[in-house]
Amino acid sequence: NAGVTQTPKFQVLKTGQSMTLQCAQDMNHNSMYWYRQDPGMGLRLIYYSASEGTTDKGEVPNGYNVSRLNKREFSLRLESAAPSQTSVYFCASSEMGTGSYNEQFFGPGTRLTVL
Amino acid sequence: RKEVEQDPGPFNVPEGATVAFNCTYSNSASQSFFWYRQDCRKEPKLLMSVYSSGNEDGRFTAQLNRASQYISLLIRDSKLSDSATYLCVVIYTGRRALTFGSGTRLQVQP
Repeated sequence: NAGVTQTPKFQVLKTGQSMTLQCAQDMNHNSMYWYRQDPGMGLRLIYYSASEGTTDKGEVPNGYNVSRLNKREFSLRLESAAPSQTSVYFCASSEMGTGSYNEQFFGPGTRLTVL
Repeated sequence: RKEVEQDPGPFNVPEGATVAFNCTYSNSASQSFFWYRQDCRKEPKLLMSVYSSGNEDGRFTAQLNRASQYISLLIRDSKLSDSATYLCVVIYTGRRALTFGSGTRLQVQP
C-alpha cells in the first residue's frame, strides 16, 4: 500500500497563476484533509472532507478551493496564487469513527513557493 | 494566543539523557490529545495518544493534566534516532480535525 500520495512534490508559481495539488489514498478512508505548515505556526487546517461528496472549511480556507473527486482523491486548488500561500501543504486521511478518534495518516507534502 | 502552545526549543541533549516537553492548550472543550513526531522535511506521524491516567510506550511516557490544561511527553534513554520535532495535538469537542502546536525540536547528540 502506498498510503497517502501527493503530487507534485515541489512547485514554483508566479503571483496570479493557478494550480491544483493532487492527493490520493489507498486505505479506503472516508475522511480527508488539507493542511498547510508555515515556520513557527504548526499545521493549520485548510479544508476537510468527512466523506465522499462533502467538504467543509477549516481554519484558513481563503484563497483555496477543494474537490472530493471520489473516495480516494481530494484535490486542493489555488485559483490565483499569492506569496502568502508559500508553504508546505500536507494531505491526510483517516477512517471516520463514530465519536472516537482515528489516526490521521499524512502524505509526504508539497513544497510550494509563490514569487 | 495560540490554542496549543509549545516551547520551540531546540532541546540539545546527550545520548542516554531523559528529556521532557510540555504543551499547554487554551480551550477546555478538548476531547483527545496526542503527540506526533515530524522528522526534518517529512510528514507528521502519530507517536502516541495521551490518556487521562497517563500512558507509557517503551521509553516514552505521556501525561495529561486537565485541571491545568497541559500535556507532557517524557523520553528516557534518548537515542540519536529520537532527534525530530515533536508536535502536541489536540482535538476539540465539535471539531473533526486536529489542532497542532508549532512543535518542539529535539536534537540528541553523541
